[in-house]
Amino acid sequence: NAGVMQNPRHLVRRRGQEARLRCSPMKGHSHVYWYRQLPEEGLKFMVYLQKENIIDESGMPKERFSAEFPKEGPSILRIQQVVRGDSAAYFCASSPGRGRFEQYFGPGTRLTVT
Amino acid sequence: DQQVKQNSPSLSVQEGRISILNCDYTNSMFDYFLWYKKYPAEGPTFLISISSIKDKNEDGRFTVFLNKSAKHLSLHIVPSQPGDSAVYFCAATLQGGSEKLVFGKGTKLTVNP
Repeated sequence: NAGVMQNPRHLVRRRGQEARLRCSPMKGHSHVYWYRQLPEEGLKFMVYLQKENIIDESGMPKERFSAEFPKEGPSILRIQQVVRGDSAAYFCASSPGRGRFEQYFGPGTRLTVT
Repeated sequence: DQQVKQNSPSLSVQEGRISILNCDYTNSMFDYFLWYKKYPAEGPTFLISISSIKDKNEDGRFTVFLNKSAKHLSLHIVPSQPGDSAVYFCAATLQGGSEKLVFGKGTKLTVNP
């Protein structure tokens, strides 16, 4: 029973490039969440999606960041024109919904912007 | 504005003794609380949770206590083992809301053999 999968595990981008982070939820889970962790900080909520719908994007920066969870395939977090401040660990989590609030996390993608 | 606070950045205990990790929250609307354990370079692992209708939940060596009037919860680990050494995050959410988790900054637990 595979857990939440994220790829790539490490991503290096130069300033101005685009970063695409992928997340496949656990089997049977229809809710996907993205969180960001800066050094020495806790995880900060970014966005909550269900298939083909963004439910809550209150934690997403207004510009350059977008997320999707298509009918087929993984959820994608896209960061355009990356800046050094985007360097962080990005974690995806999934939950089955239906009154279950535990979220199960993937191993994360560590983004480094040079 | 830190809605979930873990005021102890680190905690060191001896193997076999009890570890107590504390967490305070400011938003009285939170009604579901979770603890996660995180090793370096890995994602958080869910440990245990508690709903606001309870004041205690137990799972093996892990027990979570909730004091709603004080807006305080704690995680007890008994007995502590060296493999428990990790960063522990407290998180809170609102049932019926977007279900996003609000995390504290974490407490680094070191269990000494």
